[in-house]
Amino acid sequence: GENVEQHPSTLSVQEGDSAVIKCTYSDSASNYFPWYKQELGKRPQLIIDIRSNVGEKKDQRIAVTLNKTAKHFSLHITETQPEDSAVYFCAASMWGQNFVFGPGTRLSVLP
Amino acid sequence: DTAVSQTPKYLVTQMGNDKSIKCEQNLGHDTMYWYKQDSKKFLKIMFSYNNKELIINETVPNRFSPKSPDKAHLNLHINSLELGDSAVYFCASSLSSAGRETQYFGPGTRLLVL
Repeated sequence: GENVEQHPSTLSVQEGDSAVIKCTYSDSASNYFPWYKQELGKRPQLIIDIRSNVGEKKDQRIAVTLNKTAKHFSLHITETQPEDSAVYFCAASMWGQNFVFGPGTRLSVLP
Repeated sequence: DTAVSQTPKYLVTQMGNDKSIKCEQNLGHDTMYWYKQDSKKFLKIMFSYNNKELIINETVPNRFSPKSPDKAHLNLHINSLELGDSAVYFCASSLSSAGRETQYFGPGTRLLVL
């Protein structure tokens, strides 16, 4: 079955700097890659997703890139703010299959 | 107007007890899920239901039994609770079981087994 790895497990950045979180997946049939953000004590919420027919997607300060050949995808957050502090989960799925989540990255944005 | 709701929010109970967690979604979605999030924050799928029918049952002890009375509700009953069952349980829903759609999570139920 699908296996998703995520790095780093923790990440600290200064406010205003960029943050990058990387995920790799094992099943080349996976074609949908969402990113979820979970603030402390809250529910996971989708922040951005990408499908395998595109290489990059951007939404204001966040972007996701996908390299299908290498089977990895990354989340990029620019101009980080304290409210970006949270645990971020990547996931991979394919048609008719459930998400397989990565183990999460705890991002701390230091003021 | 809460999209996915769960009750109770907190549940503290003794080992060996039986407990239930309820989940409801008002999004008109066909598919609902139960996830377990342990202390290390791993999010692991337990069950997936599409239109009241079980479609995924990961390796979960049979002490856990999901029940879907209609497509807007998916409850989780746990028999003979064990210490290792302590975790946050999230319900979620999506439009279908296609696997390529946003999942909307409930607020979570924090279960502590003493």
